[in-house]
Amino acid sequence: GAGVSQTPSNKVTEKGKYVELRCDPISGHTALYWYRQSLGQGPEFLIYFQGTGAADDSGLPNDRFFAVRPEGSVSTLKIQRTERGDSAVYLCASSHRPRESADTQYFGPGTRLTVL
Amino acid sequence: DAKTTQPPSMDCAEGRAANLPCNHSTISGNEYVYWYRQIHSQGPQYIIHGLKNNETNEMASLIITEDRKSSTLILPHATLRDTAVYYCIGRNYGQNFVFGPGTRLSVLP
Repeated sequence: GAGVSQTPSNKVTEKGKYVELRCDPISGHTALYWYRQSLGQGPEFLIYFQGTGAADDSGLPNDRFFAVRPEGSVSTLKIQRTERGDSAVYLCASSHRPRESADTQYFGPGTRLTVL
Repeated sequence: DAKTTQPPSMDCAEGRAANLPCNHSTISGNEYVYWYRQIHSQGPQYIIHGLKNNETNEMASLIITEDRKSSTLILPHATLRDTAVYYCIGRNYGQNFVFGPGTRLSVLP
């Protein structure tokens, strides 16, 4: 079946601009996660949704970052007033059994964000 | 979550078994050991996970020591397509996945 998809695959923007990154999880997965990956490092947790609500947003670096999942499926990560340090690959993952020990997360291909 | 330590890099000859070690000496009784890998420019790919018993699937085998302080991921017949960064993660109920730097496996022809 279809996996997690993310759009766009690449996004180039200028410092100070607003960007939106989209994630389509695997159908039927109630849990959705956003991660950020800088060059040469492992993915870093940003936020976790259970259904429509953000159950854990402890990884968001500051209030310029915000994410929504209004209908419990597609999610959008929003970054305001982008900075060069926001340049990274933004990964989305979904899972069927949220936050359980045996939970397996399935990742999308990521969106590479470049802030000039 | 258990802190895991992995060698930064390893080489393996094509067709041979790749054995990737992971130390997780502080793992708690309820923490599963997960392995993911990330091929260049792709998202992480789930490989396998286990709690106490050894596990095997179509991709790999996971050997967990009896004291659960370490584990080994085994790719039985490595191919060039297995070149990737491999992440070992210890994760408990309700916790996030915490990725370390992983092991960069290079499969050599």
